[in-house]
Amino acid sequence: SSELTQDPAVSVALGQTVRITCQGDSLRSYYASWYQQKPGQAPVLVIYGKNNRPSGIPDRFSGSSSGNTASLTITGAQAEDEADYYCNSRDSSGHVVFGGGTKLTVL
Amino acid sequence: QVQLQESGPGLVKPSQTLSLTCTVSGGSISSGGYYWSWIRQHPGKGLEWIGYIYYSGSTYYNPSLKSRVTISVDTSKNQFSLKLSSVTAADTAVYYCARGSYSSSWYVVDYWGQGTLVTVSS
Repeated sequence: SSELTQDPAVSVALGQTVRITCQGDSLRSYYASWYQQKPGQAPVLVIYGKNNRPSGIPDRFSGSSSGNTASLTITGAQAEDEADYYCNSRDSSGHVVFGGGTKLTVL
Repeated sequence: QVQLQESGPGLVKPSQTLSLTCTVSGGSISSGGYYWSWIRQHPGKGLEWIGYIYYSGSTYYNPSLKSRVTISVDTSKNQFSLKLSSVTAADTAVYYCARGSYSSSWYVVDYWGQGTLVTVSS
């Protein structure tokens, strides 16, 4: 099955903008979804499709895609955004794949 | 509001079969339209998709686990289950059940269970 690659760690100053990326061949054909996971909790969907936010997700979260790279952007990062972020997608065989995760630190 | 709850033994002996059940409330598995997944997370590591099932019984499994995994559904109880055979310490993880939407463009997990830690040890 396909693989998705994420940077292991990213940091951002409070109130600034940060972009978390996810790379993989499957992203040329399929959208990525993004999940936020805080310690001891289940992941929460924050972005899916072209750039869709589930109800209750702040609009500072947005998604984009170009070629084999999907991006999650947090505009005006808040302290509560400090978490692990995972991307996922599907491949042509119908299998599901997750990225390795990015640990976001808000300074 | 859909809710999912995992249940099953928290401790499994090596070489035995891990069995977990996910009970769904707030929505019916048999109504269709969703793909019901098992996903695991090794301690301190990332997420790993195990497989999913449709209400009809159609399944897809992670190729790396396919030889040991069986996912089944019981629509009368609104539950789906995971069996993972011949477990080793490497199967120690938090196991999540989840609801997913599958389309020609994506697979999106919109609801997750709280997760259950399964430890493989003698």
